[in-house]
Amino acid sequence: GDSVTQMEGPVTLSEEAFLTINCTYTATGYPSLFWYVQYPGEGLQLLLKATKADDKGSNKGFEATYRKETTSFHLEKGSVQVSDSAVYFCALSDLNSGTYKYIFGTGTRLKVLA
Amino acid sequence: GAGVSQSPSNKVTEKGKDVELRCDPISGHTALYWYRQSLGQGLEFLIYFQGNSAPDKSGLPSDRFSAERTGGSVSTLTIQRTQQEDSAVYLCASSLDSFNTDTQYFGPGTRLTVL
Repeated sequence: GDSVTQMEGPVTLSEEAFLTINCTYTATGYPSLFWYVQYPGEGLQLLLKATKADDKGSNKGFEATYRKETTSFHLEKGSVQVSDSAVYFCALSDLNSGTYKYIFGTGTRLKVLA
Repeated sequence: GAGVSQSPSNKVTEKGKDVELRCDPISGHTALYWYRQSLGQGLEFLIYFQGNSAPDKSGLPSDRFSAERTGGSVSTLTIQRTQQEDSAVYLCASSLDSFNTDTQYFGPGTRLTVL
């Protein structure tokens, strides 16, 4: 079945450091890919998405490119801020699974130090 | 309201009791999803509604779990004879429909603690 593998956390960075959170997926069809963020005490919020190969999603300085050849959707940010401290979830949605339910990765906790 | 709302925000219950969790989706959203977030299992899909019907119940962990949706809007997730392993945050999400790959908007969740 479909699955998402995300790098283990926690990730601890200093402010203004470069961030990469790896995400790879397995899917039978052509899934859409998402990054969601969960700030402390809050619900899941969509950060960015890409619906087809080579699409780049971007938002709030974060970017991720849908790479079909490597089945990856790595999240990057050039300069992190303390306010980016949160848990980041990679997810896919694939109609071939029967519904557009999300398959989530395990989440990566990011802590940014001032 | 503008977003997905869930109630209660927190629920503490005793083992063996029944609980009901409520979800109010964004107005006009026809697709509704329930997920569970727990320490051991991460975020897992439970059930999906399109309108009032549930084409996919594959994620419900046992027959103690059931859900319904009425009027194409509010949904209730019911857990009967709760067990300690049911302790988790239950998340509801809605999307405009399920015929396109549409973004799901999540509610704040209900934290269920079974003593």
